[in-house]
Amino acid sequence: ETGVTQTPRHLVMGMTNKKSLKCEQHLGHNAMYWYKQSAKKPLELMFVYNFKEQTENNSVPSRFSPECPNSSHLFLHLHTLQPEDSALYLCASSPGTSLAGGLGPRTQYFGPGTRLLVL
Amino acid sequence: TQLLEQSPQFLSIQEGENLTVYCNSSSVFSSLQWYRQEPGEGPVLLVTVVTGGEVKKLKRLTFQFGDARKDSSLHITAAQPGDTGLYLCAGPASGTYKYIFGTGTRLKVLA
Repeated sequence: ETGVTQTPRHLVMGMTNKKSLKCEQHLGHNAMYWYKQSAKKPLELMFVYNFKEQTENNSVPSRFSPECPNSSHLFLHLHTLQPEDSALYLCASSPGTSLAGGLGPRTQYFGPGTRLLVL
Repeated sequence: TQLLEQSPQFLSIQEGENLTVYCNSSSVFSSLQWYRQEPGEGPVLLVTVVTGGEVKKLKRLTFQFGDARKDSSLHITAAQPGDTGLYLCAGPASGTYKYIFGTGTRLKVLA
C-alpha cells in the first residue's frame, strides 16, 4: 500500500474520445506529478504541481491537460490522443516544500499506474 | 543537465548468485532513491540515501551512496526469483521540483 491510488487501472480509448485519469494521495504531500512510461523507455516527467500550482510542464502536447483541484487530487484529461500515446501513466507525490519555504524531503511515492491503449 | 546512468542495463542470473547495480552521475545529488518496478505496476520505493558514504541495508539488499554524492550502488546477496524487476535510481534535480530517473536495470533471477 503506497498511499497513492490511480483510477482506472486500465483504459482503452479511440482517438476521438475524451477521458480522464485520476490520482489521489493520502500521504499529506504537497507536490504531485504525472509521468509517462513507454515500453523500453525511461520515465518521462510530464507535469509537476506544488500546492495546486503547476510548476513544471515538460513540453507536453496540449492533448494532455492536467488539473489539480487540491493537494490530494490530480487529474489528467485526455483528448484526441494518438496511438503513440499508449503507455503506462504514473502519478507520484512528494512532500514538496518544507515549512521554511525551501525544498523539503524529496522522496517520491508512486501510484500503480494507468495502462492506456489508444486505438 | 543532470543525468543518472545505470549499469548494467540487463542482468539475468541464477537464484543464489550475488549482483551489483550501479547508478552514476557527474552531478551531485542531495539524495538518491532506489525503486523496484514490476511489469504493469508503479515503481515501489526501496530506500532513500542522503548522506555521502551512507550504507543502508534492507534484508538481502545493500545500498551505498558515494562519498561525493554522485553515485550509488545496490548489491543483492543470494538473489531470489522475487527480486526480478526493473530497478531504478532517481534523484531530485537541483532547484526544481523535477526528478531525474536513471535508465534502469532490468533484472531477471532464474529459479
